[in-house]
Amino acid sequence: AQSVTQLDSHVSVSEGTPVLLRCNYSSSYSPSLFWYVQHPNKGLQLLLKYTSAATLVKGINGFEAEFKKSETSFHLTKPSAHMSDAAEYFCVVISRGRRALTFGSGTRLQVQP
Amino acid sequence: DAEITQSPRHKITETGRQVTLACHQTWNHNNMFWYRQDLGHGLRLIHYSYGVQDTNKGEVSDGYSVSRSNTEDLPLTLESAASSQTSVYFCASSVDQRTDTQYFGPGTRLTVL
Repeated sequence: AQSVTQLDSHVSVSEGTPVLLRCNYSSSYSPSLFWYVQHPNKGLQLLLKYTSAATLVKGINGFEAEFKKSETSFHLTKPSAHMSDAAEYFCVVISRGRRALTFGSGTRLQVQP
Repeated sequence: DAEITQSPRHKITETGRQVTLACHQTWNHNNMFWYRQDLGHGLRLIHYSYGVQDTNKGEVSDGYSVSRSNTEDLPLTLESAASSQTSVYFCASSVDQRTDTQYFGPGTRLTVL
């Protein structure tokens, strides 16, 4: 079985301050983990993915995430938020032997000027 | 450039009507997926296909069907549309490996009155 819990449905930060979006996962086997971003009325775009290589994964637009097996977490961070980062973010897991993704319920990031 | 397209982008229909949503990808990907997105639920898997003539049910498959007659297309059919099927529908594709990125189409917003 596989599941994802995004711990915050909404996060609000000021422009220029750090971003932290939290994700915990459950997986029977070695998981691959992804973060996708969805801007309003748009499709989903891959930010980054973890596939059992380096535990610290760098993605596009300055985002990164760290895979912590002991904590079953895959939190998304960015040192300095930009107005264009305002969007919905989805943490996603897929376990060994499966090809279908399981999505978290999403975290809406607001960036205040 | 290779891409994944969905049509129509918006559809309004009446309860009981049959509706087909199209998904077409030009990457020659083996795997194709249909998801629905509802507030508070993230994306949930409806059906998926690992290749031509292969289809599989996802977690919310009731009332939906798919067929895969070629690599490029995976149409989603609502046999008898219900108001509970009002949602945004996303098609996605990936090459083959478990860890491959899924690429998403722009989505179809379906309203069932």
